[in-house]
Amino acid sequence: AQSVTQPDIHITVSEGASLELRCNYSYGATPYLFWYVQSPGQGLQLLLKYFSGDTLVQGIKGFEAEFKRSQSSFNLRKPSVHWSDAAEYFCAVGSSGGYQKVTFGIGTKLQVIP
Amino acid sequence: NAGVTQTPKFQVLKTGQSMTLQCAQDMNHEYMSWYRQDPGMGLRLIHYSVGAGITDQGEVPNGYNVSRSTTEDFPLRLLSAAPSQTSVYFCASSYSQSSNEQFFGPGTRLTVL
Repeated sequence: AQSVTQPDIHITVSEGASLELRCNYSYGATPYLFWYVQSPGQGLQLLLKYFSGDTLVQGIKGFEAEFKRSQSSFNLRKPSVHWSDAAEYFCAVGSSGGYQKVTFGIGTKLQVIP
Repeated sequence: NAGVTQTPKFQVLKTGQSMTLQCAQDMNHEYMSWYRQDPGMGLRLIHYSVGAGITDQGEVPNGYNVSRSTTEDFPLRLLSAAPSQTSVYFCASSYSQSSNEQFFGPGTRLTVL
């Protein structure tokens, strides 16, 4: 069965600092990988996704993520964090073929301090 | 486009009561899903549908029913509410299995006393 691990439940960074959120997945074949963001009281919004091809994917709001098959990782990065990035971030993995059930990680809550 | 809409936004039930959470999308998406979000557990799939008339169980289906009579609507029914069903419920839709970007509604916060 597929699974996702987000080892950091809470992360605090200073505004302007760089950010990396970790995600490790478990899946037997080439996975479909996603990062979603959830602002307080809102639904989830897709930041970026990886299906195939270039392992470095660019997303919205200046985020990027790198797929590393050897490490089963799909870490999310941003070079300079803004206060508006404070939110909860979810990594997710989907299976290829058929209806793609998506499994979400437990989320990482990002706090941005001035 | 309104996207994915959910009603109600908040609901309080007593144990044993039944209710229906509404979900609608106006993007002509074939795939729709219901998730529940609980602290420390992320999102867990309750039921999903791959098209009108076709539904299937997800990870945590017990205590919930769904039906899909139209492409637009995908209601979630709680048959006999229990305190363990206190959660935030999200409906999501996606255009196709290959793209699989899911569009989420704003959620329904349900409390069962």
